[in-house]
Amino acid sequence: DAKTTQPPSMDCAEGRAANLPCNHSTISGNEYVYWYRQIHSQGPQYIIHGLKNNETNEMASLIITEDRKSSTLILPHATLRDTAVYYCIVRVGYGNKLVFGAGTILRVKS
Amino acid sequence: NAGVMQNPRHLVRRRGQEARLRCSPMKGHSHVYWYRQLPEEGLKFMVYLQKENIIDESGMPKERFSAEFPKEGPSILRIQQVVRGDSAAYFCASSPPIALNTEAFFGQGTRLTVV
Repeated sequence: DAKTTQPPSMDCAEGRAANLPCNHSTISGNEYVYWYRQIHSQGPQYIIHGLKNNETNEMASLIITEDRKSSTLILPHATLRDTAVYYCIVRVGYGNKLVFGAGTILRVKS
Repeated sequence: NAGVMQNPRHLVRRRGQEARLRCSPMKGHSHVYWYRQLPEEGLKFMVYLQKENIIDESGMPKERFSAEFPKEGPSILRIQQVVRGDSAAYFCASSPPIALNTEAFFGQGTRLTVV
């Protein structure tokens, strides 16, 4: 699976959009970009995933660049409960294991 | 539809005892993954199982650790002769068969403490 690079930490003001970047310059054509988060040692929570088109769901938006070498997870209105470690993962299709990196610690502040 | 259920949530074992961690996948899910998270560290993949088959055990320690996912019942992660270094949170995830377009869902974990 392709490796990903994320900033170790970010701060965001409550109510503002949180934009979390991820670089995956060696991604292959059949590899998907997944985002999970882990809130204070709970089980990881699925957020969103995509292949090449931008995706949006009730939690977040995923913007993937045209060359697919990077992506951005957008939480449109961050709340204090969004404080967590966010993981960007690249993997082939479905059923294959998820390999977690160090992730980005997002701190939402009031 | 209940989520991925792990039990027990907390487990205390003395050094040398056995630990058995259980994972009941979501309904309709036939794939199970186990991960370990040591204190202040990231999630490390251990093993990937389908019903009655181990698909990928590249992350499993060579000794004392084993996993199974029988035809009936939950998946079991078994740690024999536990040592203090086994103290960690163990997470299980499940997903449907590969043909379906979906993601893996995680349980809340079992926190093992070896004293």
